[in-house]
Amino acid sequence: QKEVEQNSGPLSVPEGAIASLNCTYSDRGSQSFFWYRQYSGKSPELIMFIYSNGDKEDGRFTAQLNKASQYVSLLIRDSQPSDSATYLCAVIGMDSSYKLIFGSGTRLLVRP
Amino acid sequence: NAGVTQTPKFQVLKTGQSMTLQCAQDMNHNSMYWYRQDPGMGLRLIYYSASEGTTDKGEVPNGYNVSRLNKREFSLRLESAAPSQTSVYFCASIWGQTQYFGPGTRLLVL
Repeated sequence: QKEVEQNSGPLSVPEGAIASLNCTYSDRGSQSFFWYRQYSGKSPELIMFIYSNGDKEDGRFTAQLNKASQYVSLLIRDSQPSDSATYLCAVIGMDSSYKLIFGSGTRLLVRP
Repeated sequence: NAGVTQTPKFQVLKTGQSMTLQCAQDMNHNSMYWYRQDPGMGLRLIYYSASEGTTDKGEVPNGYNVSRLNKREFSLRLESAAPSQTSVYFCASIWGQTQYFGPGTRLLVL
């Protein structure tokens, strides 16, 4: 079982809709959770991160953690065509504060 | 600030050739990382350096070596390239919980 799993997609949503992206993780002791956005041919860029103690909202983005079920989600409200990208979930496991474990990413397509 | 820079941007090698991928950061970060990204595989950690003078293996270290030359520079060496090492390589440094990625090196091994 991979440590961080994501549906590869593509997830297709119309412009203005809410896009919901999910990832599951296997290390129950994980403390920090990250969402990165990667445009085709570019490097990943951090959107937001949350700790195990709560959810977080930043503009149109909300990250939510369900510790009991071991998944973290990213909601994008009022989706725009410019949000079309691959979204990578990453987790810092309990054994190391230096190593991020990445999922394989979900491709999001926002239709105009 | 240039952030994290990588050279070269693109390289073609023949099987068995060697090369070094260069990475430098000007943000005075202690920790630096090398990842490879393959289609459908996400980012996989090759090696990391928690601080100057230290290096540790990541998830996929076989076939690679690294050098943390100083606080700014962290290089990745392929001693004898194999087609399985065809990939996009990203260097990153970290401040707090935020990793900053370089633009990547696209490597093709024939």
